[in-house]
Amino acid sequence: DADVTQTPRNRITKTGKRIMLECSQTKGHDRMYWYRQDPGLGLRLIYYSFDVKDINKGEISDGYSVSRQAQAKFSLSLESAIPNQTALYFCATSASPGQTNTGELFFGEGSRLTVL
Amino acid sequence: QKEVEQDPGPLSVPEGAIVSLNCTYSNSAFQYFMWYRQYSRKGPELLMYTYSSGNKEDGRFTAQVDKSSKYISLFIRDSQPSDSATYLCAMSLGGSNYKLTFGKGTLLTVNP
Repeated sequence: DADVTQTPRNRITKTGKRIMLECSQTKGHDRMYWYRQDPGLGLRLIYYSFDVKDINKGEISDGYSVSRQAQAKFSLSLESAIPNQTALYFCATSASPGQTNTGELFFGEGSRLTVL
Repeated sequence: QKEVEQDPGPLSVPEGAIVSLNCTYSNSAFQYFMWYRQYSRKGPELLMYTYSSGNKEDGRFTAQVDKSSKYISLFIRDSQPSDSATYLCAMSLGGSNYKLTFGKGTLLTVNP
């Protein structure tokens, strides 16, 4: 089983709908992240959480919200989806500074979202 | 100026070629330099990392960091079709701040 699991893997929805992407991890990491990937724009950080009570905006948080339900679960919501939110979304985890020298990210396999 | 610049390619080479992938950056405070490999329809995974300047070799892969020029490279020797993927450079400040700054990625195709 994957260490970082994202659901759904693919989703097609319509403009204005509410969408939730879920992420769970079995790596025991405190830090979790949501990125989106677009052709020509690379990976961009949406939100990150360093522990259950810590949520931080990334570089492109507008139109998104997150919830850290537990150490192992971090969900991303689009309250009212719009077409330019069509992208590949990745959840990632990393260990805390005392456990890692590099801050290596471990990614899920991605959730492809299409907003019509 | 973007913090990290990476030529998106695409780059197409014959099997067995030596591949050179590069990134430049503007923030001299970056300490950790990484290369991630992303296969189609998969998430990125760490390929190599280097702390500060110098070279690191792992099999057919060599990572180089030149902090004086703010330039990092990944070399792939004897490239194989299985190396076909998108390669992303990434950098971090280290310490308590491990937020990674990514390049946009270079799409590499190795043709049999």
